[in-house]
Formats: sequence, C-alpha cells, structure tokens
Amino acid sequence: AQKITQTQPGMFVQEKEAVTLDCTYDTSDPSYGLFWYKQPSSGEMIFLIYQGSYDQQNATEGRYSLNFQKARKSANLVISASQLGDSAMYFCAMRPNTGNQFYFGTGTSLTVIP
Amino acid sequence: DAGITQSPRHKVTETGTPVTLRCHQTENHRYMYWYRQDPGHGLRLIHYSYGVKDTDKGEVSDGYSVSRSKTEDFLLTLESATSSQTSVYFCAISVQDDHGYTFGSGTRLTVV
Repeated sequence: AQKITQTQPGMFVQEKEAVTLDCTYDTSDPSYGLFWYKQPSSGEMIFLIYQGSYDQQNATEGRYSLNFQKARKSANLVISASQLGDSAMYFCAMRPNTGNQFYFGTGTSLTVIP
Repeated sequence: DAGITQSPRHKVTETGTPVTLRCHQTENHRYMYWYRQDPGHGLRLIHYSYGVKDTDKGEVSDGYSVSRSKTEDFLLTLESATSSQTSVYFCAISVQDDHGYTFGSGTRLTVV
C-alpha cells in the first residue's frame, strides 16, 4: 500500500524566514518519484519540485529544496526566504515508477506573516 | 505548456441528477486522470485513462463513470449525483516524468 503523510495541517512563518514542511511516505516499490505541489487560494495546482528515489543529491529549484532522507522515508520541503506569495496549501505526492498513479498527502496550509 | 482545460468551472446541481464534467487537452498525451479534492483527504484518484476507450478505476470510483472516445477528451460522469460528491474535481495529464502532472483549473461541484 502507498501512503503519504503530512502531519502539519497549518504552519506560520515570518516573511524572509525559512520554513520546512514535513512529508513522510510509505511504499514497497523500490523506485519512485516524490513531488511537491503548491495550491494558492485561486485553486490551481502548481508543480514545485521533484526528487527521484535513486537521486543522490537533494533536489533544488530556486528557493525550494527537498530534504530527502530515504532511510527515514521522508521528503520535506524547505522554502527559504519566505515571501507573502508563498501563502498557500502545499501537497506532497509520490508516484511509484511501476505505475502512473500519484498518491497525495492531505496538505499543509502555510501562512506567511509580514 | 500542455493545454488542459476543464468545463464547467463551477456547477450546482440537485441530488439525483446526472452530471458530466469535461477535460480537454490540446496535445496527444496518452494518460489522463480525474481526481477529487476534499479537505482532510488531499487529492484522490477517481478514474484514469491510458488511451482511447482504455480506462481504469482509482481508489474512489464508486458512483462515477468515465469515457474517452477521443485522445483529447476525458469525460467524468456522475450518474446520479449525491451530496457526498460535492467536491473540487481536477483533471490531470502526465507530461514529463520529472514534472509529474499538469492539472486543469478544477471544477467546483456542489450537489444540493
């Protein structure tokens, strides 16, 4: 069975500070991809960052980085230098490479405080 | 960017009526998906398609059917809408392995 767990329903961060959004996953597939999506209040789903299970280095995309700890089955998203526009829902997702289905966590609502 | 559009964007319907949501893509992506988003559940897969007339069930398929008669269109039908199907519905296509899905803008469906 595949499962994604996001234990933080809501988070607050001061503008310009860094914040870590937690994600753990459970899968028996040896090969998989991990993804983070952002959903602002307008509702669209925006791809942020990808990490392959065999990638040796943690993924980075601008102010986003993925702290991948394979042994712990965690894929935390780190946002550096938070901006007001970062206020949104954030979803962690996993796709086993044996299939095409994505499995999503329940999301974390991030609020950036000026 | 791959073009993917959903229609309608918003719909209110009565319990027991049939409802069809449409997803249209402008490129020949083979895989298309329907998800529903509910608070506390994230996004859950309803059905997906891997080609014309080729579809399969996801984890929350009860009460839903789908059809794909053309590569570009993937239809989701609620045969007899219930209040539990009030949700936001997202269509998605798989464009690049390392980018995951590209999502449509979503359809907010309210069943009263």
